[in-house]
Amino acid sequence: EPEVTQTPSHQVTQMGQEVILRCVPISNHLYFYWYRQILGQKVEFLVSFYNNEISEKSEIFDDQFSVERPDGSNFTLKIRSTKLEDSAMYFCASRREEREKLFFGSGTQLSVL
Amino acid sequence: SQQGEEDPQALSIQEGENATMNCSYKTSINNLQWYRQNSGRGLVHLILIRSNEREKHSGRLRVTLDTSKKSSSLLITASRAADTASYFCASAWTGANNLFFGTGTRLTVIP
Repeated sequence: EPEVTQTPSHQVTQMGQEVILRCVPISNHLYFYWYRQILGQKVEFLVSFYNNEISEKSEIFDDQFSVERPDGSNFTLKIRSTKLEDSAMYFCASRREEREKLFFGSGTQLSVL
Repeated sequence: SQQGEEDPQALSIQEGENATMNCSYKTSINNLQWYRQNSGRGLVHLILIRSNEREKHSGRLRVTLDTSKKSSSLLITASRAADTASYFCASAWTGANNLFFGTGTRLTVIP
């Protein structure tokens, strides 16, 4: 079965540094998402992306966050100046049609020191 | 917030027993979905139930939906040790294009 792939699986960074988390959604999918999960807590929605623009974003997704689909395959999440509280597992997800099931990647564990 | 709550937060049962997890949500939905997460891994879709459906089955899974109470339940029958995982409900809010996840139920099945 096709998979959503995320790289890197682990990322360690210093507070204030920029990080880019990368995702390759399933090739014929049209809707793309980023979620995050702080250890042991709930899965929180960050942003959704469709037709080359953000369709929805949460309060978490402030000016420090941005997303991009630089080519036909990659979908990236950038955090401009990381904070300690950005430490979490970040999941990328995609789906072909609205409101159908999501396919998740295996996540990037971000640790901000 | 449209995010739901799940009950119980943790559940421990013996292999072979049934496991029931409940989910409540806060607003009108198009559908409700259940996902499974093994420790430290991504979420895997289990089953989707639409707002006009009341019950759905998939293998050992049975999901019910009560839109008047804004609640859903997931029943896993004849549990196995391999069912040990966290289970999340996710609501697709009418008018929104994302899913809002509940707090999850951590299921442990003891062999």
